[in-house]
Amino acid sequence: QVQLVQSGAEVKKPGASVKVSCKASGYKFTNYPIHWVRQAPGQVLEWMGWINTATGDTIKTQRFQDRVTFTRDSSANTVTMEVRSLKSEDTAVYSCFRSYYDSAWDWGQGTLVTVSS
Amino acid sequence: QSVLTQPPSVSAAPGQKVTISCSGSSSNIGSYDVSWYQHLPGTAPKLLIYENNKRPTTIPDRISGSKSGTSATLGITGLQSGDEAHYYCATWDGSLSVRVWVFGGGTKLTVL
Repeated sequence: QVQLVQSGAEVKKPGASVKVSCKASGYKFTNYPIHWVRQAPGQVLEWMGWINTATGDTIKTQRFQDRVTFTRDSSANTVTMEVRSLKSEDTAVYSCFRSYYDSAWDWGQGTLVTVSS
Repeated sequence: QSVLTQPPSVSAAPGQKVTISCSGSSSNIGSYDVSWYQHLPGTAPKLLIYENNKRPTTIPDRISGSKSGTSATLGITGLQSGDEAHYYCATWDGSLSVRVWVFGGGTKLTVL
């Protein structure tokens, strides 16, 4: 069955960077895009962007254009998201999902990133 | 502030029916298909409805979706305690130079 397994929780200091990985299994990795969303405490789901797993092309929202990078390793069926220059407001649960029929068909379990001095 | 507007909360008794609305605009719901998700604390969201009114094979037919113009609705009949969760609508929005995915603000369903 399809699974998206994310890396574990992280605690970072302001100004640091964090990488969160999303390892896919159970389907052909390059056939479907992977998206990233986050949910800060008490806030709504916020879409960050997506990566075309076949080409590596990425789209990110304006808010994350300069600080966020998505990469993929097709040999490992893994997508990685990096957030740089972390701020306390970046404390959130970060999740990946596979899109299919323009829907978030399968989700990772979520990764809590805490930014605290 | 979400581009898609949902009521913050809805409630109904077990066995009853509830509907959750999702209001948008011509650049999102009016142009693209809507999907719906159930989110329980500490778990990954679950897809309930795709392409406005279709259910994945694992979702029971007491869950339904519809879309009209710039609004969409999720319906749940035969409410159960296990339905108590947050529900989100989502779609694409084409108002900017690139298409972006947008979520509603979420609706907390309470089964009384």
